[in-house]
Amino acid sequence: DTGVSQDPRHKITKRGQNVTFRCDPISEHNRLYWYRQTLGQGPEFLTYFQNEAQLEKSRLLSDRFSAERPKGSFSTLEIQRTEQGDSAMYLCASSSAGSDTQYFGPGTRLTVL
Amino acid sequence: QQQVKQSPQSLIVQKGGIPIINCAYENTAFDYFPWYQQFPGKGPALLIAIRPDVSEKKEGRFTISFNKSAKQFSLHIMDSQPGDSATYFCAASKGGKIIFGKGTRLHILP
Repeated sequence: DTGVSQDPRHKITKRGQNVTFRCDPISEHNRLYWYRQTLGQGPEFLTYFQNEAQLEKSRLLSDRFSAERPKGSFSTLEIQRTEQGDSAMYLCASSSAGSDTQYFGPGTRLTVL
Repeated sequence: QQQVKQSPQSLIVQKGGIPIINCAYENTAFDYFPWYQQFPGKGPALLIAIRPDVSEKKEGRFTISFNKSAKQFSLHIMDSQPGDSATYFCAASKGGKIIFGKGTRLHILP
């Protein structure tokens, strides 16, 4: 399978704990995006990378959130001191240079107790 | 400020019918308008997309109609099937970031 993969698929954590998610984009896609989707809503943009450079961050991305793409391949999204409001599906997508088409992964569902 | 407005929230159609989902956008800088289909527990999957210089695009049973002057676009699903039951999102994009509508839950009755 050469699609976008995300790990883990599900994460349950207690409030105040830190969590980290990983996204592996389609190989050779130089753009990688993170979105958050809450129940009954459309995905909301969080941030995106072109190669290893983080080019844009949403206001939704508070200082408890940090994303990295150190070698321009996989990316990680870390949430520190999780809150119940962080419970959501975290989606990763990738696209190739010059293309608007984004391919989404299956998502990581986070539940904060 | 909701940049992409989608309606209806939910839709029930008999098998073989033609569900229509409507969207409106505000920012005229948007230059790419994709539709995504999402099944429960899965990530969104690209269905069909259009650019504002085209008034209609058809791929299989799915058709997008685009009205640039009205800043509106819609998705038609021909000969709908129970397997089309899913949530559909319209979206708009400029420079890569996608702005999604709130989604339409479509149910096709067998």
